[in-house]
Amino acid sequence: EAQVTQNPRYLITVTGKKLTVTCSQNMNHEYMSWYRQDPGLGLRQIYYSMNVEVTDKGDVPEGYKVSRKEKRNFPLILESPSPNQTSLYFCASSSPRGSSYEQYFGPGTRLTVT
Amino acid sequence: RKEVEQDPGPFNVPEGATVAFNCTYSNSASQSFFWYRQDCRKEPKLLMSVYSSGNEDGRFTAQLNRASQYISLLIRDSKLSDSATYLCVVFSGNTGKLIFGQGTTLQVKP
Repeated sequence: EAQVTQNPRYLITVTGKKLTVTCSQNMNHEYMSWYRQDPGLGLRQIYYSMNVEVTDKGDVPEGYKVSRKEKRNFPLILESPSPNQTSLYFCASSSPRGSSYEQYFGPGTRLTVT
Repeated sequence: RKEVEQDPGPFNVPEGATVAFNCTYSNSASQSFFWYRQDCRKEPKLLMSVYSSGNEDGRFTAQLNRASQYISLLIRDSKLSDSATYLCVVFSGNTGKLIFGQGTTLQVKP
C-alpha cells in the first residue's frame, strides 16, 4: 500500500530535550516536506527536500533541522524543543510530474512541549 | 496579507443544501490550484485540482478566475459525510512551494 508513515504519532516532551520525528514514504517520491499546523494559521511549511541530499528552508524553519540521506526518509529534528513548537506536524511527499503536484500526507504527529 | 486567504467559517448547512467556498491568492505567478479536504485531526487529502476552464467531479465543482485571483468550490446536495475542513492550495512556480490556506470548516446537519 502506498503510504507516508510518521513516528511517533503522539509525543509529550520537556523543553530542551532533543527529539526526532521520523518520516518514510514507499512511493519513490523525489519531493518531501514537513509542515506544522496551528489553529488559525493553517499549514505552514518548515523544510522541504527536492531529492536526496537536497534540502531547503520553508516558511518557518527556525528551531528545526532535517536531513535527506535516503530517498524514502526525511526525519525532522528538534535539537532543543520549546513550548512554541507544540503543534501538529505533517510529513508529505510528492512526485511532481507534468502538472500533478498532489501531496500525500502522513497521519500526523501531535507534539506537546512542556 | 496572507498569500492564500479563505473564510474560516464554520459554515453550518442542512443536508441537501448547496454551499460555495471562495479562496483568494496574492501571487499572480501562481500556476496550479487545488482543493484538499481535511477531517478532524486527520491528514489532508487531495479533493480535486482546479483547472482554468473549471472542472466537476460528481457533486463538486471547482472554478478558477485568474484575473481576479480567486478559486471557488461548489458542493451540491450536501451530505453529512461532507463535514470537514476544505483547504485551498496554490502552487507557485517561481518559489516551487505549495501554499495552504487556513481552511474553511463545513458542518452539514441532518
